[in-house]
Amino acid sequence: QAQLVQSGAEVKKPGSSVRVSCKPSGGTFSSYTISWVRQAPGQGLEWMGKIISSLDITNYAQKFQGRVTITADKSTSTAYMELSSLRSEDTAVYYCARTTELAGSTSFDSWGQGTQVTVSS
Amino acid sequence: SYELTQPPSVSVSPGQTASITCSGDKLEDKFVTWYQQKSGQSPVLVMYQDEKRPSGIPERFSGSNSGDTATLTISGTQDMDEADYYCQTWDSSTAVVFGGGTKLTVL
Repeated sequence: QAQLVQSGAEVKKPGSSVRVSCKPSGGTFSSYTISWVRQAPGQGLEWMGKIISSLDITNYAQKFQGRVTITADKSTSTAYMELSSLRSEDTAVYYCARTTELAGSTSFDSWGQGTQVTVSS
Repeated sequence: SYELTQPPSVSVSPGQTASITCSGDKLEDKFVTWYQQKSGQSPVLVMYQDEKRPSGIPERFSGSNSGDTATLTISGTQDMDEADYYCQTWDSSTAVVFGGGTKLTVL
């Protein structure tokens, strides 16, 4: 089972952007679908969007449309999630997760270790 | 938008059976996935397509989905099963949706 390794913690000012990376520790990225899920302090899980790496097709949750961009660099087997116009409510742990979509089912079968993003003035 | 509802907390004695429910409109028409998240850790997939266990997940975990309710059942609950559990499904209007999570306490 592929392990996903994410970039380190970030502290950002309100109104700025953050970019978090996600890379499998083994294997290539080309056949993966990667989703991004965030978890605010003491709260539940919230799906932000996904990228089908082989096709460069993205799908974003309506809540984040226009503010989130998910990309994949096949040459480095790295996926990125960029969130712009940050506000305090975006303070959360951001996870990448390998996504399996099969016969109408979506599941996240391998997760990164999480990246803490803190938005504070 | 589609919503999944879970009880905030469930308590169980060691060795007993814990049932964690997840409710949604006509949920039986969708596949439900379950995740376990221990304190300070990343979530772990414990059930997919309602009732399928990934490799490495103990047989004491089982799942079902009928009517408006999906259930994750843990038989012979152990101390190590204490965690937050989240259900998740996919809906055409909302895409991926998670339940609010259930804190399982093993007393």
